[in-house]
Amino acid sequence: AQSVAQPEDQVNVAEGNPLTVKCTYSVSGNPYLFWYVQYPNRGLQFLLKYITGDNLVKGSYGFEAEFNKSQTSFHLKKPSALVSDSALYFCAVRVYSSASKIIFGSGTRLSIRP
Amino acid sequence: NAGVMQNPRHLVRRRGQEARLRCSPMKGHSHVYWYRQLPEEGLKFMVYLQKENIIDESGMPKERFSAEFPKEGPSILRIQQVVRGDSAAYFCASSGGQQINTEAFFGQGTRLTVV
Repeated sequence: AQSVAQPEDQVNVAEGNPLTVKCTYSVSGNPYLFWYVQYPNRGLQFLLKYITGDNLVKGSYGFEAEFNKSQTSFHLKKPSALVSDSALYFCAVRVYSSASKIIFGSGTRLSIRP
Repeated sequence: NAGVMQNPRHLVRRRGQEARLRCSPMKGHSHVYWYRQLPEEGLKFMVYLQKENIIDESGMPKERFSAEFPKEGPSILRIQQVVRGDSAAYFCASSGGQQINTEAFFGQGTRLTVV
C-alpha cells in the first residue's frame, strides 16, 4: 500500500534562515508527489509537484522540493524563511492504479519566529 | 473561474440528526475527493468519485456515511445519525481527470460540530 510519512510534527526556524520540511514515501510504482500548505481555518493550497524530470522542483512562494529516489524522500525547502510561511504543510503521494487517490502525510507545523 | 465551493462552511447538528455536505468542483473537473480532518491532525481519505461513479470508497466508515456525485449538481457527503465523534472538518477536492500528474484543488471545508 502506498503511504507517505512526515517524521516531524513541528519545525521551528528563525526568520531569514533556511528551512526544510521532511517527507518520505513508500509506493510500489512510480510516485507522483505533491506539497500543500494549509493556513488556519482554510483549505489546502497547492505548492508544487514532482512528476518526472528534474529532481529539484520549484513552486509557489519561493518553495522548492528535492526528489531523491534512492532515499524515497521529497523534502520541502526554502532558502530564507518568512514569518508568513508559518502554517501546516502536507506532503502527498499518488500512484497510478485503477483508483488513483491522493494520500496525505500527517502534516508538519512550520513556525517561523521573527 | 470559481474554485472548489463547499457549503455550508459551518454546520451544527444534534446527535442523531443527518448532516449533508455539498461540494461543487471547479469548472471542467469531473473527479471529486472527500477528506476528513480532525483538529491538529492530517487529512484522512474518505472517498473518490467520478460523475455517477464511486471509484474508491476504502476510507468511508461502513455505516452512516455515504457519498454521491450525480450527473447534474454537486457532490454530496451524507452522514446519518451523527455522533460527537463525527465532529471534524470535511474537505472536498477536485481534479480534471484521473491523470496522476494533475494536482487536486481544495475547497475551504465544512466544519461539522455535533452537539
